[in-house]
Amino acid sequence: QAVVTQEPSLTVSPGGTVTLTCGSSTGTVTSGHSPYWFQQKPGQAPRTLIYDTNNKHSWTPARFSGSLLEGKAALTLSGAQPEDEAEYYCLLSYRGASWVFGGGTKLTVL
Amino acid sequence: QVQLVESGGGVVQPGRSLRLSCAASGFTFSSYAVHWVRQAPGKGLEWVSVISYDGSNKYYADSVKGRFTISRDNSKNTLYLQMSSLRVEDTAIYYCARDKWFDPWGQGTLVTVSS
Repeated sequence: QAVVTQEPSLTVSPGGTVTLTCGSSTGTVTSGHSPYWFQQKPGQAPRTLIYDTNNKHSWTPARFSGSLLEGKAALTLSGAQPEDEAEYYCLLSYRGASWVFGGGTKLTVL
Repeated sequence: QVQLVESGGGVVQPGRSLRLSCAASGFTFSSYAVHWVRQAPGKGLEWVSVISYDGSNKYYADSVKGRFTISRDNSKNTLYLQMSSLRVEDTAIYYCARDKWFDPWGQGTLVTVSS
């Protein structure tokens, strides 16, 4: 089974910009992996922010965007807010038969 | 509204079995694939299994293959996870989630495997 890697932790200043990445042990991440991004706050179920690389849900703040960047999936937060402090997970699909989460990135807004 | 509600969690001894349920409402359950995802205490998310809309295709994580069985009853709008030969490391909150947009998620049900 593939291994999906994320930065364990990142810090961003309020109003700043940060990019979280999601890599695959099998090689380049493509749109075929249908990259997802989830936000999870303590004691809550995960909430989907981005699906299929760069599509947002109706509740996804405009300051979040998804993309492919240098062989990885990426989540960019532009204009960080205190309420964005959370754990962020990416998820990759491997031909629809195997799905693998990254280990998560703990984002601190400080 | 579109909703998934898990149930069936509890405390179980190693080696025993347990069946989880996930009740769907607010959408046409029979049209969508559905996943199980788990999260051990203080750990990250782990994908467990997915079943196609009609139950004809099922896939599992290596960590549960041969021990867990996913199934669904579209007449009851319900997804199941039959867990057998449970191990201490299966202790987790188990979530179900609809495949389309990976949304919604249920609130989760806690399974504790302990002697």
